[in-house]
Amino acid sequence: NAGVTQTPKFRVLKTGQSMTLLCAQDMNHEYMYWYRQDPGMGLRLIHYSVGEGTTAKGEVPDGYNVSRLKKQNFLLGLESAAPSQTSVYFCASESFGGAGTGELFFGEGSRLTVL
Amino acid sequence: KQEVTQIPAALSVPEGENLVLNCSFTDSAIYNLQWFRQDPGKGLTSLLLIQSSQREQTSGRLNASLDKSSGRSTLYIAASQPGDSATYLCAVSFSGGYNKLIFGAGTRLAVHP
Repeated sequence: NAGVTQTPKFRVLKTGQSMTLLCAQDMNHEYMYWYRQDPGMGLRLIHYSVGEGTTAKGEVPDGYNVSRLKKQNFLLGLESAAPSQTSVYFCASESFGGAGTGELFFGEGSRLTVL
Repeated sequence: KQEVTQIPAALSVPEGENLVLNCSFTDSAIYNLQWFRQDPGKGLTSLLLIQSSQREQTSGRLNASLDKSSGRSTLYIAASQPGDSATYLCAVSFSGGYNKLIFGAGTRLAVHP
């Protein structure tokens, strides 16, 4: 019973490099989210998806892109990494209702450091 | 601006104490409120989900209450144990769309033997 799985768990990048974080869920949830967590700031929403083939911007989308080609996968891309993107990234999927009405299930996080 | 505030930011208690964590929010128009637990270096685990029509939810030693009119929720932990040590986050889903789930910064709890 995997739930929400994120890969990789750790990554170190140099400024300007690109990378993709993968989130996979096996609960057949429609709604998926990418958050970043920074000390003292709680979690902030980067992008979200309400179903396969759809994506939308959250609170802090600049510098990130996402894709949801398959229902179970939600990818977060950094085209040109910046030190300000050093953070812990969490993926979540949402049960029933969606749109903030259901229960969220989180992955274990991906710790990214940009030098 | 819709905000979620958690007080205190950190709390240290001896084992066996009953304790209360607080969460306040600025807008009473909400879908639901969730309490999460986060262990160091780990993801968030949902503890309790309270829908806007409910006043409280209970799970084992945990009880969460919701008072929309005053914009407050409390998480009550009975007979605390060292294994309860973690950061507890409150998240409020405000009415108005998918991107309206706002997290508090959390309360870091340490229960010492």
